[in-house]
Amino acid sequence: DIQMTQSPSTLSASVGDRVTITCRASQSISSWLAWYQQKPGKAPKLLIYKASSLESGVPSRFSGSGSGTEFTLTISSLQPDDFATYYCQQYNSLPSFGQGTKLEIK
Amino acid sequence: EVQLVETGGGLIQPGGSLRLSCAASGFTVSSNYMSWVRQAPGKGLEWVSVIYSGGSTYYADSVKGRFTISRDNSKNTLYLQMNSLRAEDTAVYYCARGGSSGSGYMDVWGKGTTVTVSS
Repeated sequence: DIQMTQSPSTLSASVGDRVTITCRASQSISSWLAWYQQKPGKAPKLLIYKASSLESGVPSRFSGSGSGTEFTLTISSLQPDDFATYYCQQYNSLPSFGQGTKLEIK
Repeated sequence: EVQLVETGGGLIQPGGSLRLSCAASGFTVSSNYMSWVRQAPGKGLEWVSVIYSGGSTYYADSVKGRFTISRDNSKNTLYLQMNSLRAEDTAVYYCARGGSSGSGYMDVWGKGTTVTVSS
């Protein structure tokens, strides 16, 4: 099984900040990585797939990069609607998720 | 509109059984990779099971031998039969559609149905 580890677990930031969340895989997953945003009581929402492809309708302030075992999600200028929990998911083999990163208002 | 609607959750005693349904609209379940993902209270996302368009099925170790994923093409509906339920199966259960070309990311999610296993 492929283990996914996100860091940090919690991130405090302000509107307008640039933030980066890291996701590491326990073995190479090429570019088979997705990022999701989840708000309390809601289903996850796909943001990024294949490590860097932006899902239709997702604002361009979200971007993803990386390959192999290390990946990042960057939000270029935080907006109030972006405070949520973010998950990475690998799909090189049967899916597995990172433990999540909660993005809080500073 | 592409949509998934889960039903069938509820309160069930340990050792009991429950069947979840996920009705799809706007696309064909049998043409897509479909997954169940769950989220225990206050916890992260856990992949549970997948059925590929060709019919192959796979399960997380935590549910293997107890849960069965299936679909009814005539009803365009995905199912999760859950047997021998345990307290640790308590969670919100989401169904999700796989991305394009059978890719393993999940681009459409239902709102979820809550399963509570407790005596």
